Amino acid sequence: QSALTQPASVSGSPGQSITISCTGINSDVRGYTYVSWYQQHPGKAPKVLIFDVNKRPSGISIRFSGSKSGDTASLTISGLQAEDEADYFCSSYTRSTVWVFGGGTKLTVL
Amino acid sequence: VQLVQSGAEVKKPGESLNISCTGSGYTFSNYWIGWVRQMPGKGLEWLGIIFPGDSDTRYSPSFQGQVTISADKSTNTAYLQWTSLTASDTAIYYCARRMDNYFEHWGQGTLVTVSS
Repeated sequence: QSALTQPASVSGSPGQSITISCTGINSDVRGYTYVSWYQQHPGKAPKVLIFDVNKRPSGISIRFSGSKSGDTASLTISGLQAEDEADYFCSSYTRSTVWVFGGGTKLTVL
Repeated sequence: VQLVQSGAEVKKPGESLNISCTGSGYTFSNYWIGWVRQMPGKGLEWLGIIFPGDSDTRYSPSFQGQVTISADKSTNTAYLQWTSLTASDTAIYYCARRMDNYFEHWGQGTLVTVSS
């Protein structure tokens, strides 16, 4: 399966909200969709922010939220902070295709 | 939970390589370990995954036959192996522990450089 499609870059000012899209999400035969989002700072390993479309692991700020409509998932970051500047990757899982990642989006905090 | 990967490698084309990922702080046999590639300046690509408890292994169609994934539950270690490296294998390789349908914990990454 081809990689999921994300915008190459997005930007926003501190305090603003931004949304990163991820297109090409498939559902499995039961109609379930499993989408996760990862944050990666330069030189660091990815870190999960969102799983199962809109759930946050323990310790992840409520400023990060996820949603899905049709074949497009979205990650919204509210109240942008300088530390949010990083690369963001979406990922989908189905039993047939297993894991596929997006190409990544570079977030610049102006 | 901690995943510690082996150190950076510099290899020549055609050489073989084995990199490792050692888990601690949990029952290693009970969780799938996946491998993810990140080529220089590029995105993430899923290579495959293994369940150390019984060595059940799945590969991405893009990487089937290109790499071999194995695990030794007695040493809590998963491996990613190549028999003949090429320049296009130059990348950072991450191991990550699966939780349901996502990767919850990641290793620090192993940089593999293949150059003549």
